Amino acid sequence: EAGVAQSPRYKIIEKRQSVAFWCNPISGHATLYWYQQILGQGPKLLIQFQNNGVVDDSQLPKDRFSAERLKGVDSTLKIQPAKLEDSAVYLCASSLVLAGAGTDTQYFGPGTRLTVL
Amino acid sequence: EDKVVQSPLSLVVHEGDTVTLNCSYEVTNFRSLLWYKQEKKAPTFLFMLTSSGIEKKSGRLSSILDKKELFSILNITATQTGDSAIYLCAVLQGAQKLVFGQGTRLTINP
Repeated sequence: EAGVAQSPRYKIIEKRQSVAFWCNPISGHATLYWYQQILGQGPKLLIQFQNNGVVDDSQLPKDRFSAERLKGVDSTLKIQPAKLEDSAVYLCASSLVLAGAGTDTQYFGPGTRLTVL
Repeated sequence: EDKVVQSPLSLVVHEGDTVTLNCSYEVTNFRSLLWYKQEKKAPTFLFMLTSSGIEKKSGRLSSILDKKELFSILNITATQTGDSAIYLCAVLQGAQKLVFGQGTRLTINP
């Protein structure tokens, strides 16, 4: 079974530029998550999708971050404009069960390391 | 505010030692507690604990949850250099939301 795929693996940009990350979850997984992991910290949830709808985006800085999951499969996360403090690893994860329908493991992709100069 | 606190933040031991990693939590709508191992980037799943007092084992790793005292421990016996990693504790809330601790960086010296 293929895992969660993410691209690119690394990205270096200057502040105020834009950047986009892509995630392809495990086939059949209804729920998709984007996390931000700053160096030395645990991952922090940015947004959670169930199919193509948003379940939780309470910690997404909506003035600069946006995400979508068209057709309920792949997802993109965009930052526009980027700030220095956005330097982090952006992890995508997916899980099989629907939100609130039971407990299930989240499987993580390899992440994208973003450096903002 | 929901929080998950891990200790120690960093631990260095010799190969063959036994280590215990700690995780305490204060969260609303608790469903289960998970442990992940993070070596390069992607956290990989180790255990999911839902019931108190039931130990889960996988080889040299084991974990247990205490829902009364709101903590969990992860034990690794006969450590090997390949166990060097960051170990993340996370609590699963309500609608599948994971709240992570800051992680414990474990280094195993040969």
